[in-house]
Amino acid sequence: DIQMTQSPSTLSASVGDRVTITCRASQSISKWLAWYQKKPGRAPNLLIYKASTLQSGVPSRFSGSGSGTEFTLTISSLQPDDFATYYCQQYNSYSLTFGGGTKVEIK
Amino acid sequence: EVQLVESGGALVQPGGSLKLSCVASGFSFSNYWMSWVRQAPGKGLEWVADIKQDGSEKNYVDSVKGRLTISRDNAKNSMYLQMNSLRAEDTSVYYCARPYNSGWYGPFDIWGQGTVVTVSS
Repeated sequence: DIQMTQSPSTLSASVGDRVTITCRASQSISKWLAWYQKKPGRAPNLLIYKASTLQSGVPSRFSGSGSGTEFTLTISSLQPDDFATYYCQQYNSYSLTFGGGTKVEIK
Repeated sequence: EVQLVESGGALVQPGGSLKLSCVASGFSFSNYWMSWVRQAPGKGLEWVADIKQDGSEKNYVDSVKGRLTISRDNAKNSMYLQMNSLRAEDTSVYYCARPYNSGWYGPFDIWGQGTVVTVSS
């Protein structure tokens, strides 16, 4: 199975900060990567798919990039609603593995 | 409104069985692969299993093979997860999830609210 490694595991930031989260795959997954936002007690919310395509309704401050084994999620200007945990997921091959998550906390 | 609603979660003893259900509405259920995803307390997301539109193909994460079985009934717009030989490590919130594209098995843009399975004596 493909392993997905996210860094950092926790990130402290302030409103207005530019935030970058990295996701690395143990082997090439081309562009078959998605990013989700997860808040406690709520279902995950799809932000980005195919590494860089913004899901409908997601604010443009979210962006994704990368291909092969290295990917990034960037929030250009962190908003109060963005404090949450973010997960990457590969869907190149089974099992459809998630990264361990990055918790974005208020600094 | 496009919606997924899970049910069937409960407290069950180790070695016990449980069947989860997911009922879909607001979209053509039979056109989509469907998945189960879980999250253990304080842990990350884990994809568990998925099933093809006609039920002819099923895939599982290694840790549940032989114990959990995914199925669907397109006439009832429903998906199921039969859980046997349950272990403490199966304790999680279980979500059903639909891919954003009917031609693909992932990623997931529609999720249910989750149902809680607790395995404990």
